[in-house]
Amino acid sequence: EPEVTQTPSHQVTQMGQEVILRCVPISNHLYFYWYRQILGQKVEFLVSFYNNEISEKSEIFDDQFSVERPDGSNFTLKIRSTKLEDSAMYFCASGAGRDQPQHFGDGTRLSIL
Amino acid sequence: AQKITQTQPGMFVQEKEAVTLDCTYDTSDQSYGLFWYKQPSSGEMIFLIYQGSYDEQNATEGRYSLNFQKARKSANLVISASQLGDSAMYFCAMREERDTGNQFYFGTGTSLTVIP
Repeated sequence: EPEVTQTPSHQVTQMGQEVILRCVPISNHLYFYWYRQILGQKVEFLVSFYNNEISEKSEIFDDQFSVERPDGSNFTLKIRSTKLEDSAMYFCASGAGRDQPQHFGDGTRLSIL
Repeated sequence: AQKITQTQPGMFVQEKEAVTLDCTYDTSDQSYGLFWYKQPSSGEMIFLIYQGSYDEQNATEGRYSLNFQKARKSANLVISASQLGDSAMYFCAMREERDTGNQFYFGTGTSLTVIP
């Protein structure tokens, strides 16, 4: 069964550094998403992406965040200048349609030191 | 107000018994979607079941069914014949539609423990 893959599984970064989290969505999916889950807390929506542009974003997704689909397969989340509070599990998800279920990757655990 | 409310932080169920995990939601939209995800201790998010707001029948997927009561704004997950592997965190989520895209909201989760 096709799946969403995320790399790396764990990223450790110094505060203030830039980090790029990578995702390969399911190949025939058109909608892409990033979520984060701070340890012990609920999953929070960050951004949705369709047709090569952001279609919706939450209040969390401020100017330090950006997303990109640099080629036909990858979908990346960049955090420009990381803060301690960016430490979380980041999930990528993809869906075949706007109202279709999203399939999640296994997540990237980001630890900011 | 919370968009998704899961009032049961923890639940226990005997193996082979059925269990209901509660979820209520808050939206003024006519068109929305409701999802349940399972998160095992390993951390990944596994999609279980989906219910659209216009679906008249309750969604079912194998041992999972969604008890959708639109007037009460509840979307409870029913797991029949619980298995030890069902022990995990369960999240209810909602998609609200916007002109530009969708917003998604997750509940705080229910930790389910299946007892042998």
